[in-house]
Amino acid sequence: NAGVTQTPKFQVLKTGQSMTLQCAQDMNHNSMYWYRQDPGMGLRLIYYSASEGTTDKGEVPNGYNVSRLNKREFSLRLESAAPSQTSVYFCASSELAGEGAKNIQYFGAGTRLSVL
Amino acid sequence: GDSVTQMEGPVTLSEEAFLTINCTYTATGYPSLFWYVQYPGEGLQLLLKATKADDKGSNKGFEATYRKETTSFHLEKGSVQVSDSAVYFCALSSGNTGKLIFGQGTTLQVKP
Repeated sequence: NAGVTQTPKFQVLKTGQSMTLQCAQDMNHNSMYWYRQDPGMGLRLIYYSASEGTTDKGEVPNGYNVSRLNKREFSLRLESAAPSQTSVYFCASSELAGEGAKNIQYFGAGTRLSVL
Repeated sequence: GDSVTQMEGPVTLSEEAFLTINCTYTATGYPSLFWYVQYPGEGLQLLLKATKADDKGSNKGFEATYRKETTSFHLEKGSVQVSDSAVYFCALSSGNTGKLIFGQGTTLQVKP
């Protein structure tokens, strides 16, 4: 079972470059999420998609855009990368938003991004 | 807004020692509470959960009880192993969006 798959695993960018982080889940989950993880700050939500066709901002959306391509895929785009976006990015999915017991989120292995 | 506060780490223990990692929360309504674990180089995975007051979540020897009166969800294990070395995150989910709010994480190192 693949679960949540993220690509790439590592990426180095120069300031101003753009890139898209890909995420796909094979669990038929409705909701998908993008987080960034920085030392001492836990995980912070960037954007989420409660269901196919909808996206909403999280806690730290500036500098990012997302696309819910279909039920399986949710991509995160950096249009003009900045050193402050150096982080580890995690994608997650869950069966159903709003139901506490069913909102167990399953995480990908992460993308380690460095912006020079 | 909603928030989660965890005890700062790192926590260093000897094998077979007792573990407590404190977690307190602030939330409107009645959140669900979670502990996630992150092993080196991996994503987060659910360790245990509780969805209402006085519920006890348990898994792999770890336990946590949802205490509404103290707004706490402390993680405990009676005898830790070297393989428990990881980063532990407390999180809450409230409202109808499904979003999780995480604490800052606590690094646990268990020495043989």
